[in-house]
Amino acid sequence: EPEVTQTPSHQVTQMGQEVILRCVPISNHLYFYWYRQILGQKVEFLVSFYNNEISEKSEIFDDQFSVERPDGSNFTLKIRSTKLEDSAMYFCASGGTRYTFGSGTRLTVV
Amino acid sequence: KNEVEQSPQNLTAQEGEFITINCSYSVGISALHWLQQHPGGGIVSLFMLSSGKKKHGRLIATINIQEKHSSLHITASHPRDSAVYICAAMKTSYDKVIFGPGTSLSVIP
Repeated sequence: EPEVTQTPSHQVTQMGQEVILRCVPISNHLYFYWYRQILGQKVEFLVSFYNNEISEKSEIFDDQFSVERPDGSNFTLKIRSTKLEDSAMYFCASGGTRYTFGSGTRLTVV
Repeated sequence: KNEVEQSPQNLTAQEGEFITINCSYSVGISALHWLQQHPGGGIVSLFMLSSGKKKHGRLIATINIQEKHSSLHITASHPRDSAVYICAAMKTSYDKVIFGPGTSLSVIP
């Protein structure tokens, strides 16, 4: 069964550094999403993406965040200047005939 | 007020017990997800429901749209069922998913 793939599974970065989290959605899906889960908290919506543009974003998704679908297969989340509070599990999801979550990237900002 | 609530927050069961986890939501939805999250953190989709009942192995999910309530049942529970179970609502097709707080299940041998 097709999967949503996320890389890396774990990333450690220094505060202030830029990070790019990568996702490969299911190939015929058209809707893409990023979610975040801070340790011990519930999963929160960050942003949805359709037709090469952001369709909705949450208050969390400020100017430090951006998303891109650079080559028609990857879907990336960039955090420009990481803060300690960006440490979380980041999940990608894609929607088409079904809604599928990736296995997540654990981001640790030190 | 949270749009998606779950109960109980934590649940400990003996192996073999029948388990029920409840979810209630306050918004109109097109579908509801039940998800499983193991300690490693990855999310696995168990069910997506828009009406009625679905069954997969020992797992059964039901939804009552009028009452805005869904339940996840696990029959003959096993220690490998230990995980966090999350209910998540989708208002419209292809909309973002609104997550509940999760129910942490521990099944003791």
